[in-house]
Amino acid sequence: DAGVTQSPTHLIKTRGQQVTLRCSPKSGHDTVSWYQQALGQGPQFIFQYYEEEERQRGNFPDRFSGHQFPNYSSELNVNALLLGDSALYLCASSAGTPTGELFFGEGSRLTVL
Amino acid sequence: RKEVEQDPGPFNVPEGATVAFNCTYSNSASQSFFWYRQDCRKEPKLLMSVYSSGNEDGRFTAQLNRASQYISLLIRDSKLSDSATYLCANMEYGNKLVFGAGTILRVKS
Repeated sequence: DAGVTQSPTHLIKTRGQQVTLRCSPKSGHDTVSWYQQALGQGPQFIFQYYEEEERQRGNFPDRFSGHQFPNYSSELNVNALLLGDSALYLCASSAGTPTGELFFGEGSRLTVL
Repeated sequence: RKEVEQDPGPFNVPEGATVAFNCTYSNSASQSFFWYRQDCRKEPKLLMSVYSSGNEDGRFTAQLNRASQYISLLIRDSKLSDSATYLCANMEYGNKLVFGAGTILRVKS
C-alpha cells in the first residue's frame, strides 16, 4: 500500500517564478492538507482540500493556491516566488473525519534563489 | 504568543539517560495532541497520540495536563537512534495540525 507520495522531491527556482508541487494521498484517503516547513521551524498549515474544494486555509497569501482532482490527488501552486518561500513543503492525507490521523509524504524541498 | 511552544533545544544527553520535553498550547478547546519525530531533512512521523491524560509506549511516555495546557514527552533509556527533532502538535477541528517549532535531541555515546 503506497503511502503519501510527493513530487518533485527537490527543485530550485528563481525569484518571481512559479512552482507547482504534486501530491497523491494514501490509498483510501480523501482529504489532503499542505504544510510549509521553513528551516528550524515546525510545519505551518497552508490549506486543506476535501471533495475538490478548499475547506480550510491558514495564514498564507493568495500567491499560494491549490487544487484537488477527482482522484483525490492535489497540487500546490506558488506564484511570484520570494526568497522566503524556500522551505520543505509537506503534503498530508487523512480519511476526512474531523480527528483522523494524518500521514505525511516525504516532502518537496524548494529553494528560491 | 505562539499557539504551540516547545522547550528550546538542543538537548544533549548520554546514552541511557532519561530526558523530558515540555510543550504548551494556547487553544483550550483542543482535544487531540501529538508528538511527532522528524529526522534530518525527512517528513514528520507520528510518535505518539495523546487523547486523555496520557499514554505509554515502551520507553516513551506522553502526558497531558489540561488545567495547565501542556503536554510532555518522557524518553527513558535514551538510544543513539533517538536523536532527532521532536515536534509537538495539537489538532484543531477539521484535521488541522498546529505544530511547535520542535526540540532537537542529541544522544551521545
